Amino acid sequence: DAKTTQPTSMDCAEGRAANLPCNHSTISGNEYVYWYRQIHSQGPQYIIHGLKNNETNEMASLIITEDRKSSTLILPHATLRDTAVYYCIVLAGNNRKLIWGLGTSLAVNP
Amino acid sequence: GAVVSQHPSWVICKSGTSVKIECRSLDFQATTMFWYRQFPKQSLMLMATSNEGSKATYEQGVEKDKFLINHASLTLSTLTVTSAHPEDSSFYICSANGVLRNIQYFGAGTRLSVL
Repeated sequence: DAKTTQPTSMDCAEGRAANLPCNHSTISGNEYVYWYRQIHSQGPQYIIHGLKNNETNEMASLIITEDRKSSTLILPHATLRDTAVYYCIVLAGNNRKLIWGLGTSLAVNP
Repeated sequence: GAVVSQHPSWVICKSGTSVKIECRSLDFQATTMFWYRQFPKQSLMLMATSNEGSKATYEQGVEKDKFLINHASLTLSTLTVTSAHPEDSSFYICSANGVLRNIQYFGAGTRLSVL
């Protein structure tokens, strides 16, 4: 599976949009982009995933560039409860094994 | 929907004893369940993948005789840490894959402290 690169940490003001980037320049055509997050001392939580079209759900939006080499997770109105480590993972559709990097530690500040 | 329950959330045990951790998918059938371990300030490390009714597949470096995994039904998988030692102290997390979508849903984790 393709490797991903994320910034180590980011800050965001409460109520503002949080935009978390992810580079996956070696992604293959059958690989999806998944986003999970882990709040301190809890199990990870699925956020969203996509193949090539932009996706939106009740938690976030996922913007994938046309060449699919990078993506951005958008939390439209960040709250303090969104403080967590966010993981971008690329995974082929027939593969179920998630490989976890170090993710981006997002701090939402009041 | 898609709730995974993990129990216990926290356990302290003496060195040499065994500890069993349960992982249940409450509202869906999980054909595949995963067990992870996470040390402080590190990312999740996959220990093993278990499919209902078959033997678990362990990742390289994970001792299958020490970390016994049983996946007897589509809603329950257990991890038993046998003869636990202080170096086994960690945060253990399970996840379950639904049948229709390739999404893993995670339990809340079990913090194991071996004295």
